Amino acid sequence: DIQMTQSPSSLSASIGDRVTITCRASQSISRFLNWYQQRPGKAPKLLIHDASSLQSGVPSRFSGSGSGTDFTLTINSLQPEDFATYYCQQSYNTAFPTFGGGTKVEVK
Amino acid sequence: QLQVQESGPGLVKPSDTLSLTCTVFGDSISSTTNSWGWIRQPPGKGLEWIGSIFHTGTPFYNPSLRSRITTSVDMSKNQFSLKLSAVTAADTAMYHCARIRTANFDFWGPGTLVTVSS
Repeated sequence: DIQMTQSPSSLSASIGDRVTITCRASQSISRFLNWYQQRPGKAPKLLIHDASSLQSGVPSRFSGSGSGTDFTLTINSLQPEDFATYYCQQSYNTAFPTFGGGTKVEVK
Repeated sequence: QLQVQESGPGLVKPSDTLSLTCTVFGDSISSTTNSWGWIRQPPGKGLEWIGSIFHTGTPFYNPSLRSRITTSVDMSKNQFSLKLSAVTAADTAMYHCARIRTANFDFWGPGTLVTVSS
């Protein structure tokens, strides 16, 4: 299976900050990488697919980049509703998709 | 508007079989653009993929759970189901169903909490 490693596991930030979360795959996955946001008590929500494509309805302050094994999710100008946990997921192996361990974005 | 809703018992005894159903509203479960999946999340932990049913009807399961999983589709009810046998406390989790499009879990149900306890 393809292992997905996120860093950091948690971070503290303030409203208006720029936040960067990293995801690394144990092997090359081209650009088959998705990002999800999970607010407390809610289901995960797809933010970005195929490494950098913004899902419909997602604010443009979210962006993704990367290819191969290293990927980044960036949140520009953090908003109150962005305090949540973020997960990456590889869709390179559709028969065995795997998620990263999550990054919790907390209020500083 | 698409909705997916999980249903099933919230409490299952150890060694019993967990049975969950996902009902889809606003989309066809038989559409060739869709596949469907199950994902779980133990309390306070991360996401674990359980299995997927491709639009071809072919199922794929997490190897760590494969020996205990059965999935099925009821097109007449626009539902798909999961059965997980021989459950233990380690299977206690929030269970989500989700639509899969182009390999992305693009729409998730709110989840149903299943507790394994005697």
